[in-house]
Amino acid sequence: GIQVEQSPPDLILQEGANSTLRCNFSDSVNNLQWFHQNPWGQLINLFYIPSGTKQNGRLSATTVATERYSLLYISSSQTTDSGVYFCAVAEYGNKLVFGAGTILRVKS
Amino acid sequence: DAGVTQSPTHLIKTRGQQVTLRCSPISGHKSVSWYQQVLGQGPQFIFQYYEKEERGRGNFPDRFSARQFPNYSSELNVNALLLGDSALYLCASSSLTLSETQYFGPGTRLLVL
Repeated sequence: GIQVEQSPPDLILQEGANSTLRCNFSDSVNNLQWFHQNPWGQLINLFYIPSGTKQNGRLSATTVATERYSLLYISSSQTTDSGVYFCAVAEYGNKLVFGAGTILRVKS
Repeated sequence: DAGVTQSPTHLIKTRGQQVTLRCSPISGHKSVSWYQQVLGQGPQFIFQYYEKEERGRGNFPDRFSARQFPNYSSELNVNALLLGDSALYLCASSSLTLSETQYFGPGTRLLVL
């Protein structure tokens, strides 16, 4: 089955810094989503982005489907950005395969 | 509009018991998927249901079963609980079975003692 790798596994930032999270996947996909999991376990949708670039406030994402990777950019990080960021992909349908996640800690 | 809801929020069971978890999708959504998230890992796909039919199953034993009701809500049942079944169980809904955005509920935390 499809493999998803996320990097880095852990990231510590000072408030106000920028960061880039990467997601590599092993096969063509027609569904790619980025999620933020808060400390209570809630998975919050950030982007549905099987290809192209999207922006939402301080967050933006780019997926280069032909090269099988996606990037999540966080600018001017805030302490509320702390948590685990997951990339999830599906080859078909809605059977999402998740990466292991990136744990982000933003210090004030 | 209300998001995906799940009940109960927390549950403690002992080995060998059976458990039923419930999920109500976003209004108008016809597809429900279940995922298991063990501590420190990403969620793993268990089942997908669309229009009351099973459309996908992950690599889980037959102790795991699910169903979807005419109102599109869903139940996940786990029989003969093992310690390793302790996890956060997440439900997700989407309007179609085809690839599109899935929205997740807050999850049910199951502890098996």
